[in-house]
Amino acid sequence: AQRVTQPEKLLSVFKGAPVELKCNYSYSGSPELFWYVQYSRQRLQLLLRHISRESIKGFTADLNKGETSFHLKKPFAQEEDSAMYYCALSANSGGYQKVTFGTGTKLQVIP
Amino acid sequence: EPEVTQTPSHQVTQMGQEVILRCVPISNHLYFYWYRQILGQKVEFLVSFYNNEISEKSEIFDDQFSVERPDGSNFTLKIRSTKLEDSAMYFCASSIAGGPYEQYFGPGTRLTVT
Repeated sequence: AQRVTQPEKLLSVFKGAPVELKCNYSYSGSPELFWYVQYSRQRLQLLLRHISRESIKGFTADLNKGETSFHLKKPFAQEEDSAMYYCALSANSGGYQKVTFGTGTKLQVIP
Repeated sequence: EPEVTQTPSHQVTQMGQEVILRCVPISNHLYFYWYRQILGQKVEFLVSFYNNEISEKSEIFDDQFSVERPDGSNFTLKIRSTKLEDSAMYFCASSIAGGPYEQYFGPGTRLTVT
């Protein structure tokens, strides 16, 4: 069974401080990991995925298979980063994609 | 940019009533999904749909639930006899393909069962 754990419900940081949102997963196969973000009153949207190894809005995430982690990082938090962040794992089941979400972390950037 | 749309934005129904939640996926997408989020809890997978049939469903998706693509654009979730615990935000999503492709989410329908 696949599982995604986000240990922090709320993370408060000051503007300009580094941010790290933690995500750990358990899955027996080769995982595909994503970070989704939900800004206030907006829909869930993809922030980044591990296979593309890109940086979006200054955020990066590295898949660490040894530690089964996919932490989201940003060196300098901005006020507009305040949102709910969900780590998600996609399991390829016979070619179909089932996404399991973590419980989410609310990031609050204090001006 | 094309978006997934959902109607209604808020549905209030009485326990035992049937509800149909509607979604219009992005037009060239082939895979469709429903998720729900009970207030204060995580987003939970309900069902995925491809080629006019269910490809995967979770344990939440019991006989009270059904999905349909009645025409070329709509994708619906029906709850046959609603229970209080069905109150949640229901999200529709679509993706162009299976595998590691981005799922595009709709804005959600808030279902309140009284």
